[in-house]
Amino acid sequence: EAEVAQSPRYKITEKSQAVAFWCDPISGHATLYWYRQILGQGPELLVQFQDESVVDDSQLPKDRFSAERLKGVDSTLKIQPAELGDSAMYLCASSLAGRTDTQYFGPGTRLTVL
Amino acid sequence: RKEVEQDPGPFNVPEGATVAFNCTYSNSASQSFFWYRQDCRKEPKLLMSVYSSGNEDGRFTAQLNRASQYISLLIRDSKLSDSATYLCVVKDDMRFGAGTRLTVKP
Repeated sequence: EAEVAQSPRYKITEKSQAVAFWCDPISGHATLYWYRQILGQGPELLVQFQDESVVDDSQLPKDRFSAERLKGVDSTLKIQPAELGDSAMYLCASSLAGRTDTQYFGPGTRLTVL
Repeated sequence: RKEVEQDPGPFNVPEGATVAFNCTYSNSASQSFFWYRQDCRKEPKLLMSVYSSGNEDGRFTAQLNRASQYISLLIRDSKLSDSATYLCVVKDDMRFGAGTRLTVKP
């Protein structure tokens, strides 16, 4: 069964450092999502791509977060500088174009900021 | 008021019990919804969609009450393997609730 791949699975960093997360969606999935899930809360959508274009980044803290999907396939989410409050699970998901009912999540990257 | 609100639980039930969770949403224009299941330290996985006519899949039944703006998930004959956090989602803008934790005990 095809899966969404994410790396690294775990990341520990100090505040003010830069971190980057990578996601490779299921082949053929045009829509890619990045979520942040703080412990005890539900996932919060940070950014949604349709191919290489950003569809929704209204909840992305743009002063420190950036996301790109240059070739419309894999994607990178970056935080610079990291803050203590950024400690969370960062989940990537993908779906067929616009089909949120076929959204599949990757295993996530657990970030700890010290 | 949060846009999507769930009772965090935990719900502790014995095997074989019937348990129900509700999820309220604030946007009356919302059209469609999902239930996801999330195991501890794992990613969410789609459990079922919620249709206006209701949806049943084996022991699981999902219903929508538009007038009162809530969706529900009913689990019959609970199994130990049903222990997880159940997240409701408003599909229109992919807003998740915080989840309801269920523990099924022998």
